[in-house]
Amino acid sequence: DAGVTQSPTHLIKTRGQQVTLRCSPISGHKSVSWYQQVLGQGPQFIFQYYEKEERGRGNFPDRFSARQFPNYSSELNVNALLLGDSALYLCASSLGVGAPQETQYFGPGTRLLVL
Amino acid sequence: GDSVTQMEGPVTLSEEAFLTINCTYTATGYPSLFWYVQYPGEGLQLLLKATKADDKGSNKGFEATYRKETTSFHLEKGSVQVSDSAVYFCALSDNPRSGGYQKVTFGTGTKLQVIP
Repeated sequence: DAGVTQSPTHLIKTRGQQVTLRCSPISGHKSVSWYQQVLGQGPQFIFQYYEKEERGRGNFPDRFSARQFPNYSSELNVNALLLGDSALYLCASSLGVGAPQETQYFGPGTRLLVL
Repeated sequence: GDSVTQMEGPVTLSEEAFLTINCTYTATGYPSLFWYVQYPGEGLQLLLKATKADDKGSNKGFEATYRKETTSFHLEKGSVQVSDSAVYFCALSDNPRSGGYQKVTFGTGTKLQVIP
């Protein structure tokens, strides 16, 4: 079975631009979470979506938004890019939502560079 | 809030040496604990997990025991190989008080380099 897929793999943008990142979860998984991993750090939680609804949000500004589609794929949007948004953006999928023991499966990530 | 503290790296070991990477956590609820591994240029792969106190997670020769009394989840392997070179992340998963979703909190990662 295919794992979590993300596109694009790499992206270069300039300050002030907007970017959209895409994620397809593992077949049968209904929950998608997004994380930002700055170089040398652990991933930081941005959002969790389940059944097309935002169920949780981390400490990120409103420039970050996301949505989930009926097929459970998801997009992460970042507006008014800042240099500090340069990072690896990871998508993770899981069967459900809310249970601490649920395993999240990660995609390979999209590496965003903001110049 | 929840937090995870890992020993700082990089850790450099010779092949077949014993590995320990320390991890301690702070959580308000009853978290599950995970170890993820990240190879260069890749995303995170689940290595092992434990969902309640005294559980031992194990996979590929790695193991970790959920110690509630010491709030620890140290990763161990008896004999490391060059192919184990990677960054290892300790993480905890909990339900925030607002409920309704799963929040995973990661440590900063420990880079392991195994030399032949």
